[in-house]
Amino acid sequence: GAVVSQHPSWVICKSGTSVKIECRSLDFQATTMFWYRQFPKQSLMLMATSNEGSKATYEQGVEKDKFLINHASLTLSTLTVTSAHPEDSSFYICSARGLGRRHTDTQYFGPGTRLTVL
Amino acid sequence: GQQLNQSPQSMFIQEGEDVSMNCTSSSIFNTWLWYKQDPGEGPVLLIALYKAGELTSNGRLTAQFGITRKDSFLNISASIPSDVGIYFCAGLPGRRALTFGSGTRLQVQP
Repeated sequence: GAVVSQHPSWVICKSGTSVKIECRSLDFQATTMFWYRQFPKQSLMLMATSNEGSKATYEQGVEKDKFLINHASLTLSTLTVTSAHPEDSSFYICSARGLGRRHTDTQYFGPGTRLTVL
Repeated sequence: GQQLNQSPQSMFIQEGEDVSMNCTSSSIFNTWLWYKQDPGEGPVLLIALYKAGELTSNGRLTAQFGITRKDSFLNISASIPSDVGIYFCAGLPGRRALTFGSGTRLQVQP
């Protein structure tokens, strides 16, 4: 299957700082990338949908000024958690939907980034 | 967002047993996907289903896309300890984002 990478895999930061998470599709071009958040023992919750070259679409209840998303190319999307607080601590996972018949209707997930805010 | 009803929530079985889990929805999906997630990792795609009635296998895994397009099941035959994890169903409503089930936590006793 297609490969999606995330960096970093984990990060610990102080309250009030900003953290950037990168999501890359390694062997296909992703027209759309998605950012999810997952709390322990819960399912994945969609935060936002990111289309290359346009503004991200945020789900209800997700603050767009706090979770900045940039999808600058067909292989890279970034999520920046601004002024992070302890309640932002979570597992953040990206996924990518690709171009072309083989990848069009499937989403491939990155390995996730564990964010801990002290 | 919309949620899929996935059952059972958890299963504890003996190695070698078969496992079955399913998802239902009040809405129609064009695609059904089944993922497995290990602790601290992202979901890994197991099987993708694109047509109503489609039955697809991947090794010991078999999944079907319901005729009504509102349900899907996943079977695991002859379970082994490495099958342990959380299994999620997910539906694709056209070109929008995935809708996830709540997950089935599988534990396998050697």
